[in-house]
Amino acid sequence: NAGVMQNPRHLVRRRGQEARLRCSPMKGHSHVYWYRQLPEEGLKFMVYLQKENIIDESGMPKERFSAEFPKEGPSILRIQQVVRGDSAAYFCASSPTGRETQYFGPGTRLLVL
Amino acid sequence: SQELEQSPQSLIVQEGKNLTINCTSSKTLYGLYWYKQKYGEGLIFLMMLQKGGEEKSHEKITAKLDEKKQQSSLHITASQPSHAGIYLCGASGPGNQFYFGTGTSLTVIP
Repeated sequence: NAGVMQNPRHLVRRRGQEARLRCSPMKGHSHVYWYRQLPEEGLKFMVYLQKENIIDESGMPKERFSAEFPKEGPSILRIQQVVRGDSAAYFCASSPTGRETQYFGPGTRLLVL
Repeated sequence: SQELEQSPQSLIVQEGKNLTINCTSSKTLYGLYWYKQKYGEGLIFLMMLQKGGEEKSHEKITAKLDEKKQQSSLHITASQPSHAGIYLCGASGPGNQFYFGTGTSLTVIP
């Protein structure tokens, strides 16, 4: 059973470009969480999704950020018009149902030049 | 919102020594998780505690959740270089959010 997969592992973007981060949950997991880890800071919750539904996006910046988890395919975290402050490690986690142990992917490290 | 404070922030120990990391919550914990993050990598799930007074062990790592369910400790016996990394406690918030502690960076000197 493969673990949570994220790609790309590293992503470099120039200011103003778009960043798309992908997360494939573990097999059988229908809940996905996205977190951001800024340099020298802790992990912060961004959004919690189920298939085709956003359950809680209270940790997501109001502008430029969006997330989806379609019926088929990976969950996508999209950052439009990236700025240098978006440089961080973005982790996704999955669980079989809500409120259970979350299993984390290796993260995507975004660098905005 | 729930806050999780970890102590110490960083720890440097000689190989073979025992150590303890604490996680204190501003609110009652209904589920406390311990993760380990190796530098530059993702999080590895260690264990989960739910009941007050619960204690779990895996290899040389033991975690406890106190009776009042507002504090947890992680104890490593006879530390090894492979134990080095950042230890994070995490807990579910009142909504759907999940909060992480401030993290404890552990260095084990061979």
